[in-house]
Amino acid sequence: DVKVTQSSRYLVKRTGEKVFLECVQDMDHENMFWYRQDPGLGLRLIYFSYDVKMKEKGDIPEGYSVSREKKERFSLILESASTNQTSMYLCASSFFVGGYQPQHFGDGTRLSIL
Amino acid sequence: GDSVTQMEGPVTLSEEAFLTINCTYTATGYPSLFWYVQYPGEGLQLLLKATKADDKGSNKGFEATYRKETTSFHLEKGSVQVSDSAVYFCALSPNSGGSNYKLTFGKGTLLTVNP
Repeated sequence: DVKVTQSSRYLVKRTGEKVFLECVQDMDHENMFWYRQDPGLGLRLIYFSYDVKMKEKGDIPEGYSVSREKKERFSLILESASTNQTSMYLCASSFFVGGYQPQHFGDGTRLSIL
Repeated sequence: GDSVTQMEGPVTLSEEAFLTINCTYTATGYPSLFWYVQYPGEGLQLLLKATKADDKGSNKGFEATYRKETTSFHLEKGSVQVSDSAVYFCALSPNSGGSNYKLTFGKGTLLTVNP
């Protein structure tokens, strides 16, 4: 089975801090994704990466950056955390080829910014 | 752009009731369609998928048929259980073009099944 592991289930940080969310997958997937999930808004794509050191902005990249130094690891960075970034963050991965490839998700990190 | 519209919840049913969650989409070409499920406190899991028109995806008693003529992919189950209580997401992925690995999600439908 595909395993996508997010480093923390719950995280509490303070406004202005630099926050790192880590994600690791074990299936040699080329694609990796970061979403945030908010009530009434569903899932919104923040950033995705289709290869090492490659990244593309999703629908809501403002206030975030990402890093992909190794194929299996994709990090989401909140440069200066703000309270409106309190949310559930979900990481996912998939193979590169074909739209029919499903994405596999981690269990999520619930981040609170105080 | 691509979009997915699914029925708003919450949906509350009694055990053994019939379930339908409606999903319609807007996309160019022939997208792949998915249903994902999110159980409380967990990430999303793929429930079923269909990659071309008239395909029927099925898993764990759930079914959905890819209807291109009505641009729909409604989720159904004949007899729900308490353990089916979760949030259900409809999603699509284009089958061609530079971003054919991106998913567009609906906003999710919360299902609660009472004993």
